[in-house]
Amino acid sequence: DIHLTQFPSTLSASVGDRVTITCRASQNITTWLAWYQQKPGKAPKFLIYKASSLESGVPSRFSGSGSGTEFTLTITGLQPDDFATYYCQQYNSYLFTFGQGTKLDFK
Amino acid sequence: QITLKESGPTVVKPTQTLTLTCTLSGFSVSTTGVGVGWIRQTPGKAPEWLSLIYWNDDKRYRPSLRGRLTITKDNSKNQVVLTMTNMDPVDTATYFCAHSPWYSSGAFNIWGPGTTVTVSS
Repeated sequence: DIHLTQFPSTLSASVGDRVTITCRASQNITTWLAWYQQKPGKAPKFLIYKASSLESGVPSRFSGSGSGTEFTLTITGLQPDDFATYYCQQYNSYLFTFGQGTKLDFK
Repeated sequence: QITLKESGPTVVKPTQTLTLTCTLSGFSVSTTGVGVGWIRQTPGKAPEWLSLIYWNDDKRYRPSLRGRLTITKDNSKNQVVLTMTNMDPVDTATYFCAHSPWYSSGAFNIWGPGTTVTVSS
């Protein structure tokens, strides 16, 4: 199994801040990584695919980077709607796995 | 506009079989490159991928659940069905179906709202 570790687990920030979430894979997944945003009681929302490609309709303040085993999601200029939990997901091998999540809350 | 909607029982007893249906709208499950997957999640935990079926009927399963899961599609009804046998209280979760696009097969760009299943006697 490919294990994904996200850090930090919790991140406190303010509106307007720039924040970065890291996702580390236990083995090389090239760029087969996606990022999701989830709010309580809702389904995950797709943000980024292939590590750095922005899904259509997602604000440009979201960006992704990385390859191999180290990936980041950056939000530049936090908006009130961005406070949520973020998950990475690898789809390099047919046991798709998710990171444990990063909760972004108000400082 | 692509939408998905899960349906099925809200409560099942231990050892029973769970059958969940995902009804698709705005796309066909037989469109080249398309996949539909099932993912579940318990409160406060990360999502857990269960299964995926492709337009060409290729099927993938979570290895640890392979013997319990069956995924099928009905092109005429535009539905995807997941069955899980021998249900246990640890299978209590919200179950989501989701669309996997041709441009990033294995990731899930559109999700249904989810259906909560409780396993209890």
